[in-house]
Amino acid sequence: GQSLEQPSEVTAVEGAIVQINCTYQTSGFYGLSWYQQHDGGAPTFLSYNALDGLEETGRFSSFLSRSDSYGYLLLQELQMKDSASYFCAVRDTNAGKSTFGDGTTLTVKP
Amino acid sequence: DTGVSQNPRHKITKRGQNVTFRCDPISEHNRLYWYRQTLGQGPEFLTYFQNEAQLEKSRLLSDRFSAERPKGSFSTLEIQRTEQGDSAMYLCASSLYSTSGGGETQYFGPGTRLLVL
Repeated sequence: GQSLEQPSEVTAVEGAIVQINCTYQTSGFYGLSWYQQHDGGAPTFLSYNALDGLEETGRFSSFLSRSDSYGYLLLQELQMKDSASYFCAVRDTNAGKSTFGDGTTLTVKP
Repeated sequence: DTGVSQNPRHKITKRGQNVTFRCDPISEHNRLYWYRQTLGQGPEFLTYFQNEAQLEKSRLLSDRFSAERPKGSFSTLEIQRTEQGDSAMYLCASSLYSTSGGGETQYFGPGTRLLVL
């Protein structure tokens, strides 16, 4: 079966750096994606890693280690608007469909 | 690029009734996905299309669920004889798949929130 593990909640203060980890066990692996979802909103794409290493997009970075079946999302210079749920998702076949984790709720405090 | 749209945004129905949702993907996207999301969980894959062909359907999807994408553009998801357990957010996503590979970003619509009474 497919399973993804990520912490259920993380709290941090404005301006800080936070790392959200994701470990996965899937039958296949094509890449790891991260999505942000605000309450009542749709998931929005943040990043995708197919190869080991770090991908940087502005304040957000994502890392992947395929040998460890592990990745993380790094959010820097946290802002209040970053309070949301963050999902890791594994693309486990070439079909493109993804298996999502249950999400990490990030709360940014002043 | 007007994004992915879904209609209706909210639907309340009585148990046993049929409901149909519509998804309009980003126009040039050839793949279209349906997911279901319940509170506190991530989106759960239901089915997906490449153009008009339905290529995969989740084993979790009962026979009461059917989806179509007749002309390779918009798609409909129908739930027959709804049950209270069908209450969830139904999300549609689209993407542009290329045989040259690379990442395939899925763009999600705002979802249809279904409540079965």
